[in-house]
Amino acid sequence: GAGVSQSPSNKVTEKGKDVELRCDPISGHTALYWYRQSLGQGLEFLIYFQGNSAPDKSGLPSDRFSAERTGGSVSTLTIQRTQQEDSAVYLCASSLSGGAATGELFFGEGSRLTVL
Amino acid sequence: QKEVEQDPGPLSVPEGAIVSLNCTYSNSAFQYFMWYRQYSRKGPELLMYTYSSGNKEDGRFTAQVDKSSKYISLFIRDSQPSDSATYLCAMRDSGGSNYKLTFGKGTLLTVNP
Repeated sequence: GAGVSQSPSNKVTEKGKDVELRCDPISGHTALYWYRQSLGQGLEFLIYFQGNSAPDKSGLPSDRFSAERTGGSVSTLTIQRTQQEDSAVYLCASSLSGGAATGELFFGEGSRLTVL
Repeated sequence: QKEVEQDPGPLSVPEGAIVSLNCTYSNSAFQYFMWYRQYSRKGPELLMYTYSSGNKEDGRFTAQVDKSSKYISLFIRDSQPSDSATYLCAMRDSGGSNYKLTFGKGTLLTVNP
């Protein structure tokens, strides 16, 4: 596709359930990022993948959060035992390479997670 | 103190007005400064990018960076209803984690016809 694709666009789940969010980056982009946008908050960095390097997981808020990127392309963000404070929009972005001087990250439309 | 401070607004202006959006920051290592625009229920898109101090103009948009004051601005001239969106400032340093953008909370702008 032409842009970053995320699914599902909306997810409503019950507290304690696990959820998986998927991101399909722009073809050829080696860097992939996950950010979280909570109501009234800026974008919060979660995790960064670059090629075959070890990901930077420093932004993951707890061990209930994990992410993987298979084959250098599609990425899945998993939240286990969801809590109400996990409710947010989860945004995926990709770029041609990490640390690109233009800073141009291409964002998907996000997955809006609501935990009841 | 948060690394990046941005007034969340909301800001409401009439069509044709000049709009000024601002961010302050505390990390003197930031070298790259960006403005992203985010329409409702969409992902952010890059609007302006500036390296270090100075001005950059692109059509109706002007980005300014004053590193001595740790202050960045985005000016929109002849604002249009289509400019109604949330504007997010973002910045990064040139060190080992230079892929990591730090964002402001965003300012919600409404331009009224």
